[in-house]
Amino acid sequence: AQRVTQPEKLLSVFKGAPVELKCNYSYSGSPELFWYVQYSRQRLQLLLRHISRESIKGFTADLNKGETSFHLKKPFAQEEDSAMYYCALSRANDYKLSFGAGTTVTVRA
Amino acid sequence: DTGVSQDPRHKITKRGQNVTFRCDPISEHNRLYWYRQTLGQGPEFLTYFQNEAQLEKSRLLSDRFSAERPKGSFSTLEIQRTEQGDSAMYLCASTGWGSGNTGELFFGEGSRLTVL
Repeated sequence: AQRVTQPEKLLSVFKGAPVELKCNYSYSGSPELFWYVQYSRQRLQLLLRHISRESIKGFTADLNKGETSFHLKKPFAQEEDSAMYYCALSRANDYKLSFGAGTTVTVRA
Repeated sequence: DTGVSQDPRHKITKRGQNVTFRCDPISEHNRLYWYRQTLGQGPEFLTYFQNEAQLEKSRLLSDRFSAERPKGSFSTLEIQRTEQGDSAMYLCASTGWGSGNTGELFFGEGSRLTVL
């Protein structure tokens, strides 16, 4: 069975401070991991996926198979980063996503 | 193409009534997914299609729920004999399946159901 855990429901940081959103998963096979984001009054959209190994909007995420984690990080948070963030997992080449419960990030000026 | 569209955006109904939601995916996408989201939770998988074939249905899905994608384009999700526990946001997403696709799901804005 696939399971994604985001232990923090709410995260509040000051502008310019680092932010880290935790994500842990359980899956017996080889998963693909994603971060999706939902800004206020917008639809859910992809932020980044582990295979791409990209930095998107200053965010990075490293897949740690030993710790079964895929934490999302940004060194300097901006006010426009305030949003709901979901970690998600799919079976390889399946794209059927299992989502975590989400973390609401608020970046204060 | 304006992306994935869903209709209606909001639906209020009385317990016991039937409701139907429609999803129009991005035109070239052959995979279509339905999710349900309740307050404070992430989206929960319901079912998905590749073209017109329904490939998987969640075991959590009651037999009151049925989904179709008759011509491999738009899809409908019907809930029969609605219950208050069905109140949720119903999300549709689509993606292309095949070589070169990234696996990114494109979501609609959702259809919010309130069962009184």
